[in-house]
Amino acid sequence: SQQGEEDPQALSIQEGENATMNCSYKTSINNLQWYRQNSGRGLVHLILIRSNEREKHSGRLRVTLDTSKKSSSLLITASRAADTASYFCATALQGAQKLVFGQGTRLTINP
Amino acid sequence: DADVTQTPRNRITKTGKRIMLECSQTKGHDRMYWYRQDPGLGLRLIYYSFDVKDINKGEISDGYSVSRQAQAKFSLSLESAIPNQTALYFCATSDLRLPNEQFFGPGTRLTVL
Repeated sequence: SQQGEEDPQALSIQEGENATMNCSYKTSINNLQWYRQNSGRGLVHLILIRSNEREKHSGRLRVTLDTSKKSSSLLITASRAADTASYFCATALQGAQKLVFGQGTRLTINP
Repeated sequence: DADVTQTPRNRITKTGKRIMLECSQTKGHDRMYWYRQDPGLGLRLIYYSFDVKDINKGEISDGYSVSRQAQAKFSLSLESAIPNQTALYFCATSDLRLPNEQFFGPGTRLTVL
């Protein structure tokens, strides 16, 4: 079963707008990560947030983590056409040495 | 990421055939992983290895086997391919010191007819 559930499954916005994607998970985690996948390609690591962190920034990316609600959000500000991709959250479970991926959000940025 | 390579990139095979997918990395990482991705779904872990002599099953290991021949190489075999193994297969690596950040290969698109 999937540890991470992402919402929405698909998102389409205009270039320049902000995009927000959410991830919920079920069990306690060490950290949560976001990855991007361009069509048919491998995943690229974007950002990692540890369980004792609440917010993290990297360029136009902002990630929040609410461990009480077991949820995370990824905000991409001032979106660009090149941001079109699928975005996956992945959780590193406490005591485990591997990641569990959500099913992803497919983001389309319209010019 | 050019540091993690997979061969072949595309493969079409027939039901019952044995097939091997290969992964090589030049990142010097100890840990390697094999995932499969089905359309519209996230990645599911097939097998992983933390060292040359270490092999661990993931959530969907049935029908697959792996070999860690060297630190830099991790191969995935389908002993007798079946159509529902048609998928995109990814190899990934991670560093012992940062175990959860994974670096992915470009993927192998496998079709089993």
